[in-house]
Parts: sequence; structure tokens; C-alpha cells
Amino acid sequence: AQKVTQAQTEISVVEKEDVTLDCVYETRDTTYYLFWYKQPPSGELVFLIRRNSFDEQNEISGRYSWNFQKSTSSFNFTITASQVVDSAVYFCALPSSGAGSYQLTFGKGTKLSVIP
Amino acid sequence: GAVVSQHPSRVICKSGTSVKIECRSLDFQATTMFWYRQFPKQSLMLMATSNEGSKATYEQGVEKDKFLINHASLTLSTLTVTSAHPEDSSFYICSAPGTSGGRGETQYFGPGTRLLVL
Repeated sequence: AQKVTQAQTEISVVEKEDVTLDCVYETRDTTYYLFWYKQPPSGELVFLIRRNSFDEQNEISGRYSWNFQKSTSSFNFTITASQVVDSAVYFCALPSSGAGSYQLTFGKGTKLSVIP
Repeated sequence: GAVVSQHPSRVICKSGTSVKIECRSLDFQATTMFWYRQFPKQSLMLMATSNEGSKATYEQGVEKDKFLINHASLTLSTLTVTSAHPEDSSFYICSAPGTSGGRGETQYFGPGTRLLVL
């Protein structure tokens, strides 16, 4: 079964600091995808990134970057120069394996608080 | 990106009443939709998979007679919480995969419905 571990329950940083959110996953699939979602206080889930296990290149999108390490089954997320608007709960997720529907298995989430 | 809407966004009801939550894919068709439940400060837990034209598939521990799911069309799935009780108070979120529906397809989430049962 798929498993996603986000060991950091809560993180607080001061605005403009960099912060890294950890994600470790378990899967028996040889090919898979990984996702990060942001959940601001309003509750809606905002899609941030999708990563194919074939592609181990790190990805950067503005202040966001992702470090995918297949050897350690990690897919960490870094926010550079954090802002108050980054305050949210961040979830790492992995689709189910096998045939059929591909619902997501979520980690427990990391609550990020950015203090002005 | 694709847009998923949910209605209502918030509902307060008395214990014993039934509540219907709608999930719509606005600009794409979804033969499959997923319903998740999220208790305060917890992660999202899959409740059931809604399939257009067939019965929903429920996760272990989810009562299918209590949480009725109807996927009436390619753009609409409804979740009805029957005889709601205070322990059903939660945040209910639906999602739909993008066009291909494959494992790597991005899931698009509705804004969620906060249910409070008094």
C-alpha cells in the first residue's frame, strides 16, 4: 500500500526565511507520480506540482522548488524568501497503485506559519 | 486548470436531518470523482469513489447507507449524509481527475463543504 510521511507537523518561520517541507513516501510501484498541494485557511486545496518518478531533475517555480530523490524516496519542497501568504497546510500525496481509480493517499500535512 | 465547484460551502443542520452536497466539474467531464473527509487538524481521508453510471465504491469503515453517493452525470456527483449526527461534522471535499484519468493525472479539488451537525 502507498504511504506518505510528512514528519514535520508544524513549522514557524519569520518572513523572508527559507523553509523546507519534508516528504518521504513508500510505494512498490516502479513508476509513480508525486504531488504537492497547498491548503490555505479557506480550506480549498491548491495544486502545486506533479512529478513523474522518471524525472529526477529538481524543479523550480518562482520561490518554490522541489527536490526529488528517488534513492531516498523523498520529495521535499522548499519555499525561498517566505511570505505571510505562504502560511497554509501543505500536503504531499501519492496516487494509489494497481488498476482502477487513482485516488490520492495524503501525508498528514505540514502546517507552515510565516510570521511577519 | 480545471475547475471543480461544491455546494453548499457551509451547512449547519440539526441532528437527524439529511444533507446533500453537490460536486460539479465545470469545464470538463469526470467519469470518476472522489469524496474525502477531513477532520480538524487532520489529513484528507478518502471516503468513496463515485463512478458515473455505476455504484460508488466505499472505503473500509465508511457506511454506504449513511453516505449516499449518486453520480448522475459526467459533471455532477452528490454526497448525501443521511440522518446526520454531530460526529459527522467535518470538512467534505470532492475531487475529479483531469481529462485522461490516469494515475499521473492531476486531481482537481472542490473548495470543500463544512458540515456542522448540532
